[in-house]
Amino acid sequence: DAGVTQSPTHLIKTRGQQVTLRCSPKSGHDTVSWYQQALGQGPQFIFQYYEEEERQRGNFPDRFSGHQFPNYSSELNVNALLLGDSALYLCASSLGDGNSPLHFGNGTRLTVT
Amino acid sequence: AQKITQTQPGMFVQEKEAVTLDCTYDTSDPSYGLFWYKQPSSGEMIFLIYQGSYDQQNATEGRYSLNFQKARKSANLVISASQLGDSAMYFCAMREAVNAGNNRKLIWGLGTSLAVNP
Repeated sequence: DAGVTQSPTHLIKTRGQQVTLRCSPKSGHDTVSWYQQALGQGPQFIFQYYEEEERQRGNFPDRFSGHQFPNYSSELNVNALLLGDSALYLCASSLGDGNSPLHFGNGTRLTVT
Repeated sequence: AQKITQTQPGMFVQEKEAVTLDCTYDTSDPSYGLFWYKQPSSGEMIFLIYQGSYDQQNATEGRYSLNFQKARKSANLVISASQLGDSAMYFCAMREAVNAGNNRKLIWGLGTSLAVNP
């Protein structure tokens, strides 16, 4: 039973470029959330997708957008990259009930130069 | 405002001893859940244990137990019989409105770095 998988594992981009990160949820999970974790910090909630729609959003600008596909996989897109976007991006999947834990992938380490 | 506080940036423990990692939280929602995650240097967040605000008993999962004191708004993680592989960052997180079922947003603390000495 595969867990949450993310690709790529590492990425180096230049300021102003655009990036797409990908996530496949754990088998049986229908909800995907994305988090940004800066060095030395706890993760920050970006948004959550369920039934191919964005259901919740954290305090992130519109440069951050996403998508969920019919097979529940998801993409995170970041436009006009800033140096401050350098972070570990974590994808998490979960079941529908409120007390089920989030299962995380290994993350994508994004470096913006 | 929703907040998680972890006051111990770093902790040391001898192998085979027990260690307590502190977590306090702030919320006005009566229905919430508290989670502990472990993050090794590889980066993956590993779920350890969950405590719901209405749970009558403290949660336990193997060597992990959660010392839940609702009136003090604390949810400390206790790791018994520490192992070298326990060395990692440990994060406390909270989710509100758990009974509503739709909220997936977790609020996280800054984490505690645990080092287990042989």
